[in-house]
Amino acid sequence: EPEVTQTPSHQVTQMGQEVILRCVPISNHLYFYWYRQILGQKVEFLVSFYNNEISEKSEIFDDQFSVERPDGSNFTLKIRSTKLEDSAMYFCASSRQGGYSPLHFGNGTRLTVT
Amino acid sequence: KQEVTQIPAALSVPEGENLVLNCSFTDSAIYNLQWFRQDPGKGLTSLLLIQSSQREQTSGRLNASLDKSSGRSTLYIAASQPGDSATYLCAVISSNTGKLIFGQGTTLQVKP
Repeated sequence: EPEVTQTPSHQVTQMGQEVILRCVPISNHLYFYWYRQILGQKVEFLVSFYNNEISEKSEIFDDQFSVERPDGSNFTLKIRSTKLEDSAMYFCASSRQGGYSPLHFGNGTRLTVT
Repeated sequence: KQEVTQIPAALSVPEGENLVLNCSFTDSAIYNLQWFRQDPGKGLTSLLLIQSSQREQTSGRLNASLDKSSGRSTLYIAASQPGDSATYLCAVISSNTGKLIFGQGTTLQVKP
């Protein structure tokens, strides 16, 4: 069964550094997402991406964050200058039809900012 | 603003029991509702999706119901097994972009 893959599984970075989290969504899916989960808290929506542009974003997704689909298969989340509070599990997801079909999640990247 | 709540936060049952997990949401204008399973330190596995026009969905030992007007969904697990031990998350989609709003989850432990 096709799945969403994320790399790396764990990333450690120093405060102020830039990180790029990578995802390969399911190949025939058109909608792509990033979510995050701070330890012990709810899974939170960050951003949705469709037709090569952001379709919706949360208050969390400020100017420090950006997303890109650099080619036909990858979907990336960049955090420009990491803060301690960015430490979380970041999940990529994709769906065929946005709100009308299930979202499929990757196994996540655990980001630790020191 | 849509809020999703799951009760109970944790549940421990002996193997073989049937159980019900509850999810409530404050805004009934949803596109669909999705149940997920999360194992410790892992990603989210989609279990069931119920469209807003549906009342229930079944997959194996799992049955999810939806009462949109009252803002409630339940996940019924029949004949529970130790392998069912995980956190179960309920999430609603309130927009056509597919933005999910999650509950905090119910952590289930099934004892052999």
